[in-house]
Formats: sequence, C-alpha cells, structure tokens
Amino acid sequence: DVKVTQSSRYLVKRTGEKVFLECVQDMDHENMFWYRQDPGLGLRLIYFSYDVKMKEKGDIPEGYSVSREKKERFSLILESASTNQTSMYLCASSSNREMENNEQFFGPGTRLTVL
Amino acid sequence: LAKTTQPISMDSYEGQEVNITCSHNNIATNDYITWYQQFPSQGPRFIIQGYKTKVTNEVASLFIPADRKSSTLSLPRVSLSDTAVYYCLVGDSQGSARQLTFGSGTQLTVLP
Repeated sequence: DVKVTQSSRYLVKRTGEKVFLECVQDMDHENMFWYRQDPGLGLRLIYFSYDVKMKEKGDIPEGYSVSREKKERFSLILESASTNQTSMYLCASSSNREMENNEQFFGPGTRLTVL
Repeated sequence: LAKTTQPISMDSYEGQEVNITCSHNNIATNDYITWYQQFPSQGPRFIIQGYKTKVTNEVASLFIPADRKSSTLSLPRVSLSDTAVYYCLVGDSQGSARQLTFGSGTQLTVLP
C-alpha cells in the first residue's frame, strides 16, 4: 500500500524560529510536492521537485525553501517562521511528470501554529 | 493557468445522486481534469480523472462536455461517509506542476 508520511501531525513554533517539515514516501516516486491549505483558499502549491536535488517554485514560495537530498525525502523549511505561516501543510508524491494517470498521493498533513 | 470554479457547498440526503460541477473556461488542449476527495484531518485522495466525454469507475462518474469548459462529478447513491470536500483539478499533461490548479473545493454534506 502506498504511503506518504509527514514527521509531525501538530507543531507549535515561535515567531523567528527555523522550522523543518519532513516528508517521506515509500513508492519510489520521482515527483514530490509541498502545499499549504487555508480555509477558503483550497490547496496552494509552495514548492515541488521532479528529481533529487531539483526544486521548482510553486505559486507561493516566499518565506519557504526546500531540500531534496534523497529521492524518498522532501523537506520544507521555514527559515524564520511568521504568524502568517500558521497553516496546514500537505506533502504529496506522484510517479511521473505527465498529467495522465498522474495521481498524487498525499500525506496526512502537519498543522503548524506559529505564535 | 486554467482557473477552476466550484460551488462552495452542497447538501444532499442519503441514497441520492449528487452532481458537483466545476467550471474551467480557460482549459488548455493538453489539460486533464481530476477530482480529489478530502476528509477532515486527512490529505486529499484521488477519485477520478478524464480528458473528454465520460469516465466511470467504482466510486464515481465524470462527465465532460465537448467544449471541455466544465466537468461534472457524479456520486451515485451517496451515504453519510461521502461527506467531504471535493476538489476539481485541471492540469497540463506535459507541463510542470505549476500548471496544476486546485479549485477552492466543494463541501458536500450528506444528511440522514
């Protein structure tokens, strides 16, 4: 059974802290994604990666960075957390670049609160 | 980018057929249409995908008219467990993930 895991379900941090959100997939997928989800705004793409050490900005990359040193792991980094980054963060992976049959498998999400 | 528009919410009763329509007026030739389902405190889950006409699987049907400017997700005989948010996703088959756009989602509430 396919699986995407995220390091924490709930996280509370203080303004200015450096925050790491970890995501691991066990499906040998090439593609990995980070989204944030806010009420009324749906899912918004932050960053994605098609290969190890490769990254591309999504729609809302400001204030975030990512790291993909291994194929199965994709990390989202908040260099200096701010209160407007309080949100639900969702990681996803998929098996190829093309859209057809390109099902994205999502993790359970991390609810981050920045105080 | 093809923007999608969905109703914010819908109510239905158990046993009824539910149709949720998504508008995507600027859909491109290479775009596919995908629907996801999300329960509270869980990540979205793939339901169905199509390019044109009609697609059916064990969970739902997807109807796409000839102009492809909209699509309708059809859930037959819904139950209480179908209460969830449903997202319409339009994406480019050859582009990057930046071409993927999630709609704002439709909250479906199934009533007993």
